[in-house]
Amino acid sequence: GESVGLHLPTLSVQEGDNSIINCAYSNSASDYFIWYKQESGKGPQFIIDIRSNMDKRQGQRVTVLLNKTVKHLSLQIAATQPGDSAVYFCAEGRNTGFQKLVFGTGTRLLVSP
Amino acid sequence: DAGVTQSPTHLIKTRGQQVTLRCSPKSGHDTVSWYQQALGQGPQFIFQYYEEEERQRGNFPDRFSGHQFPNYSSELNVNALLLGDSALYLCASSYGTSGNQETQYFGPGTRLLVL
Repeated sequence: GESVGLHLPTLSVQEGDNSIINCAYSNSASDYFIWYKQESGKGPQFIIDIRSNMDKRQGQRVTVLLNKTVKHLSLQIAATQPGDSAVYFCAEGRNTGFQKLVFGTGTRLLVSP
Repeated sequence: DAGVTQSPTHLIKTRGQQVTLRCSPKSGHDTVSWYQQALGQGPQFIFQYYEEEERQRGNFPDRFSGHQFPNYSSELNVNALLLGDSALYLCASSYGTSGNQETQYFGPGTRLLVL
């Protein structure tokens, strides 16, 4: 069946540290992956996405790594800031056709000053 | 450039009632997807509308229905409300005409409480 899970429900880091949030997926047919950040009382905010023809993609202070062999996805946040505190979701989907996304339960990132 | 907007922001209903939630997509987007997010959980896909038709549906009963208008805005209707329907309802818009997976941008959501 479809499932997207996360290894850690809560991650606590100090300001300035690098954060790594992990995600496992089970649907080998998935070829599109996306990370969202959700702050309290708000909708999910797009961070970065990656397609299965890539194993790494970088954005501003963020990097997503995809390991299709072990069905693992990670989000790295450099120089974590208090404003990065939120719940982070990974989601999987198919690259073509219908655009349904399957979300995991999320990881809460807590950044201490 | 306006992002995805949803109305109302909050809503309180009683069991058995019906509710209609509204969504306006991001400018240039033609596809609207609806998700239900229970407290402490990730969003769950309800259905998606493109060219005014429902083109994919998640595991939700027929009490959940929707509509897309020619201007791409969308409504989500829920009949015979149950306590378990209490959740944050999220609308996401994307560009569907390319046929490829395009980024879905979410609105702020409508918080529904069923008493």
